[in-house]
Amino acid sequence: EVQLVESGGGLVQPGGSLRLSCAASGFTFSDHYIDWVRQTPGEGLEWLGRAKTKAMGYTTEYAASVAGRFTISRDDSKNSLYLQLNSLRTEDTAVYYCVRMSRSYYFDYWGQGILVTVSS
Amino acid sequence: DIQMTQSPSSLSASVGDRVTITCRASQDIANYLAWFQQRPGKAPKSLIYAASNLQSGVPSKFSGSGSGTDFTLTISSLQPEDFATYYCLQYKFHPLTFGGGTTVDVK
Repeated sequence: EVQLVESGGGLVQPGGSLRLSCAASGFTFSDHYIDWVRQTPGEGLEWLGRAKTKAMGYTTEYAASVAGRFTISRDDSKNSLYLQLNSLRTEDTAVYYCVRMSRSYYFDYWGQGILVTVSS
Repeated sequence: DIQMTQSPSSLSASVGDRVTITCRASQDIANYLAWFQQRPGKAPKSLIYAASNLQSGVPSKFSGSGSGTDFTLTISSLQPEDFATYYCLQYKFHPLTFGGGTTVDVK
């Protein structure tokens, strides 16, 4: 069974940092692109970025709204994806999801999500 | 960025009703369109990819159609578990962009 489990969320002050993790199981993690998506009550669902596979040079891609503040990385030996959140703002408060892309490059499986709250 | 406009933003329906939700892209996205269902307090669930292909395990009461800029999601006979919010997503262009969602609630 494919599973994606996010962790590392919580309360952080504006300007602070947080590192989210996404632990994968039930499939060959190294074969798949994995994306990060967040959801806020006001802005809905927002795509944040992507971690490609070793075959694609571990390339990462980002939405302009988070480029330079957020960093995506992966460790295939640990079947894990990471999202480093820096210079956090109150508007980054959201539920963050990791999402697997199928081998045909469409979203298929979502994690359960993890809440990040940015507040003083 | 590609704008994805869903309509209606909400609708009220009864069990057994046929429900149709539309999604319009601000430019041609061919068939790079997906649909997701989200129940309250839960993560989105993938329903349809490439505009009309059902994800594995998704019941056939769900169907999708369209290409280019106009797309529809149809639920042929609404069941209690289908009361939820539905989102479209275009994945042809970066950044990927979602529609604003359509909430289906009980009439």
